[in-house]
Amino acid sequence: DAKTTQPPSMDCAEGRAANLPCNHSTISGNEYVYWYRQIHSQGPQYIIHGLKNNETNEMASLIITEDRKSSTLILPHATLRDTAVYYCIVRGVNNNDMRFGAGTRLTVKP
Amino acid sequence: DTGVSQDPRHKITKRGQNVTFRCDPISEHNRLYWYRQTLGQGPEFLTYFQNEAQLEKSRLLSDRFSAERPKGSFSTLEIQRTEQGDSAMYLCASSLFGSGEKLFFGSGTQLSVL
Repeated sequence: DAKTTQPPSMDCAEGRAANLPCNHSTISGNEYVYWYRQIHSQGPQYIIHGLKNNETNEMASLIITEDRKSSTLILPHATLRDTAVYYCIVRGVNNNDMRFGAGTRLTVKP
Repeated sequence: DTGVSQDPRHKITKRGQNVTFRCDPISEHNRLYWYRQTLGQGPEFLTYFQNEAQLEKSRLLSDRFSAERPKGSFSTLEIQRTEQGDSAMYLCASSLFGSGEKLFFGSGTQLSVL
């Protein structure tokens, strides 16, 4: 699986959009980008995934660059409950597990 | 859908003792995963099952660790002769193969080896 690079921490003001970047410059054509988050003392929670098109669901939007070497997870109106560690994972269709890095610790401030 | 449940939530044991954790996945999910997480790190993959077959094991899974999923439903993870380095959060996740591989995680079992 391609490796990912994320900033270790970010802050965001409550009510503003949180934009979390992820670099995956060695991604190959059949690898998907997944995002999970982990709130303190809980297991990770699936957020969204995509291959090359931008995706949106009730939780977030995923923007993947045209060359697929980077992506951004967008939380449109961050709340205090969005404070968590966010993991960007690249996974091939033939791989059978999600391999997590250290993630980005997002702190939403009032 | 009651989600993935893990038991116990916390386990304190003495070095050298054996411990066993249980995971009950979402009922229709055919894949079940075990991960380990230490403080400040992301979860590390240990092993996974498809139905009752254990299809992959990480090199992290030493011979003191064994996992089973006897009827393709719940799973157990046993650690024999525990060591202090085994102290971690043990997470279980399940998924439905072919549904986009969205993993649903339990809240984990926190193991402390004294």
